[in-house]
Amino acid sequence: QAVLTQPSSLSASPGASASLTCTLRSGINVGTYRIYWYQQKPGSPPQYLLRYKSDSDKQQGSGVPSRFSGSKDASANAGILLISGLQSEDEADYYCMIWHGSAVVFGGGTKLTVL
Amino acid sequence: QVQLQQSGPGLVKPSQTLSLTCAISGDSVSSDSAAWTWIRQSPSRGLEWLGRTYYRSKWYNDYAVSVKSRITINPDTSKNQFSLQLNSVTPEDTAVYYCARELGALFDYWGRGTLVTVSS
Repeated sequence: QAVLTQPSSLSASPGASASLTCTLRSGINVGTYRIYWYQQKPGSPPQYLLRYKSDSDKQQGSGVPSRFSGSKDASANAGILLISGLQSEDEADYYCMIWHGSAVVFGGGTKLTVL
Repeated sequence: QVQLQQSGPGLVKPSQTLSLTCAISGDSVSSDSAAWTWIRQSPSRGLEWLGRTYYRSKWYNDYAVSVKSRITINPDTSKNQFSLQLNSVTPEDTAVYYCARELGALFDYWGRGTLVTVSS
């Protein structure tokens, strides 16, 4: 079982909200981790969006609009990236990431389609 | 503004060594707050962190378990760059390889990526 699991794809309409999940493997408690989120568009490297651990421990990336936000669902053991007011330019791949010991683990990514 | 310029061959033969370099401008490989990282991406393996080098009074390295027996990441302070060597490559190592700066546990600057194909 992968450490971080993301749905492979998600579709949403312009102006709507999209909730992208990142589920941690059983036995790894989401509450103890900072979840990092990256956006990647074709032909470009990933770009840092934000990190979220709690409402008192969060950080927005430089220049990242406030309509991108993070949260957690402890009952699902998952981190969430919420994108509100979807725009066509938000169509991209989104990756979650954690530090697991001294190493980095990425989720498999979610392809967000805005249509 | 930090810039990372990658260089190295795009084709490597199976069993040989993959070698890439990442030249840094706007920061120092000897920074006591940054770490210098290699990450790769392929359709089959997704984004995969390979390892990092960093200086905190002395040099340290961390490597991913998946490649630990085959990887070396070295700083070159004279040229302000760092390198990746991956030994005994197979077609499974075919990927886009990125160098990146890690600062505050996040990757804020990335190279443009180098597609490395392992094929005879």
